[in-house]
Amino acid sequence: QVQLQQSGPGLVKPSQTLSLTCVISGDSVSSNTVAWHWIRQSPSRGLEWLGRTYYRSKWFNDYAASVKSRITINPETSKNQFSLHLNSVTPEDTAIYYCARDPGSPKDQWGQGTLVTVSS
Amino acid sequence: DIVMTQSPESLAVSLGERATINCKSSQSVLSSYNNKNHLGWYQQKPGQPPKLLIYWASTRESGVPDRFSGSGSGTDFTLTISSLQAEDVAVYYCQHYDAPPYTFGQGTKLEIK
Repeated sequence: QVQLQQSGPGLVKPSQTLSLTCVISGDSVSSNTVAWHWIRQSPSRGLEWLGRTYYRSKWFNDYAASVKSRITINPETSKNQFSLHLNSVTPEDTAIYYCARDPGSPKDQWGQGTLVTVSS
Repeated sequence: DIVMTQSPESLAVSLGERATINCKSSQSVLSSYNNKNHLGWYQQKPGQPPKLLIYWASTRESGVPDRFSGSGSGTDFTLTISSLQAEDVAVYYCQHYDAPPYTFGQGTKLEIK
């Protein structure tokens, strides 16, 4: 059974970098049949897909236009996990952040969520 | 980007009655490579991540009660709860996964009348 376990700070200062990690059990970040995603949820923006990383003989990433200049999603194969880095955060980035495997599809699986507050 | 529009925004239904939630996509999510609609339905309760109920627009996820059903194709989709139970009170979302950026509907809040 696949499980995704998130970790990372719940409070980030404005202009700094938000960093979260998602540890995968029961599957491989290097699988060539699925992709690994980050999604956030806030009252003002609803559920917002941020991006994904996936391996198909080499690594690929796709990012949402709204965060493309600030986001990096990295696979970490030795630890079977992937990470989210969002730089230059503002209070608008305050949200619950979720990692997920292929959301909406038959391979759907979500992490437990991490509330990240951007505040000084 | 594909815009997902749900209706209604909120819905109050009596216990045992039918609940119907609609979702419209701004472009077709019917994939030409597998002839499937890349559309999922979620249920979300407070403090929990979204739970997938339906994928491929009409396939029920394992363990989901059969009172939940999905229908539709192309751009118009429906989630139906045939006989509302108290535990179905939640917010429901549709989401397309045809190609990035994946987008979600704004949600429909379902309550007991």
